[in-house]
Amino acid sequence: QTVVTQEPSVSVSPGGTVTLTCGLSSGSVSTSYYPSWYQQTPGQAPRTLIYSTNTRSSGVPDRFSGSILGNKAALTITGAQTDDESDYYCVFYMGSGISMFGGGTKLTVL
Amino acid sequence: EVQLVESGGGLVQPGGSLRLSCAASGFTFSSYWMSWVRQAPGKGLEWLANIKPDGSEKYYVDSVKGRFTISRDNAENSLHLQINSLRAEDTAVYFCARRVSSLKVFDHWGQGTLVTVSS
Repeated sequence: QTVVTQEPSVSVSPGGTVTLTCGLSSGSVSTSYYPSWYQQTPGQAPRTLIYSTNTRSSGVPDRFSGSILGNKAALTITGAQTDDESDYYCVFYMGSGISMFGGGTKLTVL
Repeated sequence: EVQLVESGGGLVQPGGSLRLSCAASGFTFSSYWMSWVRQAPGKGLEWLANIKPDGSEKYYVDSVKGRFTISRDNAENSLHLQINSLRAEDTAVYFCARRVSSLKVFDHWGQGTLVTVSS
């Protein structure tokens, strides 16, 4: 059974740049998986950040960007702010109507 | 403005059933795929099911096949999730989400409804 993998936790200093990654337990990620990224703070609904690998959702600041890095999807935050401290989830489209979330990354900004 | 409002959650005993609903407004509901996603306490998000705009196609994560049924009523702009044979591990916040099929993205989310399975 394929698993979508994310770093459990990552930290960044305010103003710094951080990259979160999203991979597959077997195989490489490509744009064909339509990677998307979601931000969630405790007790809140997820917020859509990035879809189709690198397209920012409406209203998302341009300090958030998506890409494919090596064999993984990546979310890069450039100039991290304290408000960015959240959980981040990636999702892959696995085909046949099936989507799969990664386990999430807890981002700490300190 | 797109709005998705879930309802129907609550406390239910193991083995029981529950029907969750999601009221949609602010967009042409009958034109969009819709989805259910859940989050157990302290855990990550888990995709559960997708349904085509006309309801003719439905897809589920393997772990809920046979117990969960997604459905929709386009005349009422509502999405539903029937959950049977509830287990403790089904305790979670259940979110409905609008899905843009061509982009494979969940672009709008409801606030969720909490289901607690306990005796």
